[in-house]
Amino acid sequence: DGGITQSPKYLFRKEGQNVTLSCEQNLNHDAMYWYRQDPGQGLRLIYYSQIVNDFQKGDIAEGYSVSREKKESFPLTVTSAQKNPTAFYLCASSMGAGGLNTGELFFGEGSRLTVL
Amino acid sequence: SQKIEQNSEALNIQEGKTATLTCNYTNYSPAYLQWYRQDPGRGPVFLLLIRENEKEKRKERLKVTFDTTLKQSLFHITASQPADSATYLCAPPSGGYQKVTFGTGTKLQVIP
Repeated sequence: DGGITQSPKYLFRKEGQNVTLSCEQNLNHDAMYWYRQDPGQGLRLIYYSQIVNDFQKGDIAEGYSVSREKKESFPLTVTSAQKNPTAFYLCASSMGAGGLNTGELFFGEGSRLTVL
Repeated sequence: SQKIEQNSEALNIQEGKTATLTCNYTNYSPAYLQWYRQDPGRGPVFLLLIRENEKEKRKERLKVTFDTTLKQSLFHITASQPADSATYLCAPPSGGYQKVTFGTGTKLQVIP
């Protein structure tokens, strides 16, 4: 089935450690996104990528890094510089700009990161 | 700065009634606006999109309106059911065609 796969679903990390969250899509979408969601809050954009080998910072990029070496993959690294990394992380993809595309997002099931 | 506001308080309604959720935005004029549904611990799911030149859009029991003068979108669920209980998010693009930002969402509880 086509879709977006995030892994791991749950992750625990000690303070000072970097951790990488995986996001893979087989929808042949050009654009991919990472959002963070805290309890009772909306989604905040971390990074997004409209095309392979290119990405832009979102509203809360500090302490995070991404890469987009392949169309289907957009991993997110939460670095030790991120002050409060415990959150629910959501990856999404969309067809990309052009034509009548309106940026409808398809989301993965999320990765819940807890820093101990 | 651009701002998206949804009623942060939960909305409780009786089964069978119409639920109306509000999304207000300020300091920009999006060309379209999307609505998503999110269940606890899950990723959001796209429901409807409405463009700036459309006054109203319908899909089964869902209806969305878009008033660019008031800078407001209303999301209606008619004949609501307990299965409609979820958080509903509005999402206009912001700062670029592909940069999609979200409101904080409104939690809807349909009481049997």
